[in-house]
Amino acid sequence: KNEVEQSPQNLTAQEGEFITINCSYSVGISALHWLQQHPGGGIVSLFMLSSGKKKHGRLIATINIQEKHSSLHITASHPRDSAVYICAVGSGGSRLTFGEGTQLTVNP
Amino acid sequence: GAVVSQHPSRVICKSGTSVKIECRSLDFQATTMFWYRQFPKQSLMLMATSNEGSKATYEQGVEKDKFLINHASLTLSTLTVTSAHPEDSSFYICSARDWAEYSGNTIYFGEGSWLTVV
Repeated sequence: KNEVEQSPQNLTAQEGEFITINCSYSVGISALHWLQQHPGGGIVSLFMLSSGKKKHGRLIATINIQEKHSSLHITASHPRDSAVYICAVGSGGSRLTFGEGTQLTVNP
Repeated sequence: GAVVSQHPSRVICKSGTSVKIECRSLDFQATTMFWYRQFPKQSLMLMATSNEGSKATYEQGVEKDKFLINHASLTLSTLTVTSAHPEDSSFYICSARDWAEYSGNTIYFGEGSWLTVV
């Protein structure tokens, strides 16, 4: 069993739909990261969470430390949101353990 | 703009040659940088932790003599793939963390380097 598990692995949505990607982890962490990787490979850090909820534009990330679970929500999805979304956890320092990613495709 | 710059973005080299990939932190000092490798449709795998002024720490199964890491300054780490083989063809990406409070301790990733060994 991976230390970080994401679901679903693949997700296809229609433009405008509300999207949720889930992440569960089995280790103690100091922070959880949501990352976005575009087809060219570059990675952008979307959120770093240690508790509660964060919002940036149409993106919302939540974390439940007791349940070791985090969700990334995208409201009013758009084709430009199509990317791989990766959950990563850190237990101190900058070393991260990554989930396998969720491939999101938003169709117009 | 990018705060961690990686170069080259794409490189093709012949089998048996060596290729160097650079990772630079542009707006902050990074005492530690991380090198990852990613095969198609797979997750990022940590290869090594690059420590400024000291030896890199390699993950289990990563050959330190094949993947040479040098972190000679607070803003530059290099990964050299020596005696490259086609199976080394992969996407290599670095990351560094800006520990400054005003930056929110954000982790930044380079743009990545696609290596093709022919």
